[in-house]
Amino acid sequence: QSALTQPASVSGSPGQSITVSCTGTSSDVGNYDFVSWYQQHPGRAPKLIIYEVTKWPSGVSNRFSGSKSGNTASLTLSGLQAEDEADYYCCSYAGGRTWVFGGGTKLTVL
Amino acid sequence: EVRLVESGGGLVQPGGSLRLSCAASGFTFSSYSMSWVRQAPGKGLEWLSYISTDSSTIDYADSVKGRFTISRDNAKNSLSLQINSLRDEDTAVYYCARDEGWAFDFWGQGTTLTVSS
Repeated sequence: QSALTQPASVSGSPGQSITVSCTGTSSDVGNYDFVSWYQQHPGRAPKLIIYEVTKWPSGVSNRFSGSKSGNTASLTLSGLQAEDEADYYCCSYAGGRTWVFGGGTKLTVL
Repeated sequence: EVRLVESGGGLVQPGGSLRLSCAASGFTFSSYSMSWVRQAPGKGLEWLSYISTDSSTIDYADSVKGRFTISRDNAKNSLSLQINSLRDEDTAVYYCARDEGWAFDFWGQGTTLTVSS
């Protein structure tokens, strides 16, 4: 149950697109299409923004999109806005009703 | 409106025990599996434990297995986490989260546990 690997930080200017990677193993990301992404603003609870690799929960902007290739999942955020500045976490099902999160990525909107 | 409210955190000495609770409302609690997730100060999220709708399936992260016990009371719409043999590294915000099947779709605001002498 090792944490998934995410870049510590990414940045972009308003209107640009950024991508956050999330690398796991063949026991988690590579073996299941159950990768989810969470947005967390400082002092707030995490919020689900992508589930099952590519799906949006109701009410979440379609500026967020997800994908997966092999052991690596990715979150893309297009049309960056100031309010997108937050921490982003990936999470993967790891079998047996266990889950593993990534270390988190801090997004800075320049 | 779905609502999850955690409670029970506080300052506890190393070696002590604590029971965290999560009160659920706004949805049919007995129809959803639940999990506990924690976040140490300045750190990332760590999944801790899962419990199925009828408590028949329970699982834990290796890091807490043997010290943490998850339970639920569907009649009281309540989820609990018993933590024993507390360590400094258990200091964190503890969240309960609703499991919609393959992701955590609603989270509480968290309760803070500080382990210190």
